[in-house]
Amino acid sequence: GAGVSQTPSNKVTEKGKYVELRCDPISGHTALYWYRQSLGQGPEFLIYFQGTGAADDSGLPNDRFFAVRPEGSVSTLKIQRTERGDSAVYLCASSYWGSSGTNYNEQFFGPGTRLTVL
Amino acid sequence: AQKVTQAQTEISVVEKEDVTLDCVYETRDTTYYLFWYKQPPSGELVFLIRRNSFDEQNEISGRYSWNFQKSTSSFNFTITASQVVDSAVYFCALSEFIKAAGNKLTFGGGTRVLVKP
Repeated sequence: GAGVSQTPSNKVTEKGKYVELRCDPISGHTALYWYRQSLGQGPEFLIYFQGTGAADDSGLPNDRFFAVRPEGSVSTLKIQRTERGDSAVYLCASSYWGSSGTNYNEQFFGPGTRLTVL
Repeated sequence: AQKVTQAQTEISVVEKEDVTLDCVYETRDTTYYLFWYKQPPSGELVFLIRRNSFDEQNEISGRYSWNFQKSTSSFNFTITASQVVDSAVYFCALSEFIKAAGNKLTFGGGTRVLVKP
């Protein structure tokens, strides 16, 4: 089946501009995560959704970052007043929770959106 | 706070050699999950294995094997008879034991493996 998809694959913007990054999770996956990966580093957690609500947004670096998942499927990460330090690859992942209680915390990652702030 | 350390930043081997990637973790949780992911040059993270803290049994999957030692907080990964296609960055990661559907991953800095023909 289809994996996690992210659009755009690349985004170049100017400092101070607003950007939106989109994530389409695997169908039926209830959990959705955003991570940020700077060059040469491991991914860092930003925010996690369970259904429509943000269950954990402790990784968002500041109030310029915001994410939504209004219908419990597609999610959008929004960055206001972009700064050069926001340049990174933004990764989205999704996972499934079985109704029987079986734990499927295996996260499936999308290809990422490479954001460049000039 | 959780922390994952991958001390090796880059390893270069010749094809057919074995390569072992080290992973050391820190957590206050008594129950937790450990993971390994592969990130090939294409950039997409590929899940390799999940291990819960209750299960210290080592695991082998084809040319891959994992050695989990709770006493030393290590979860090392060995690729046997490496191939050029194994060239990638490998990440070790840690998460809390699941309380709800999913939990954030804490990643190490990654180890770049270069397999030369």
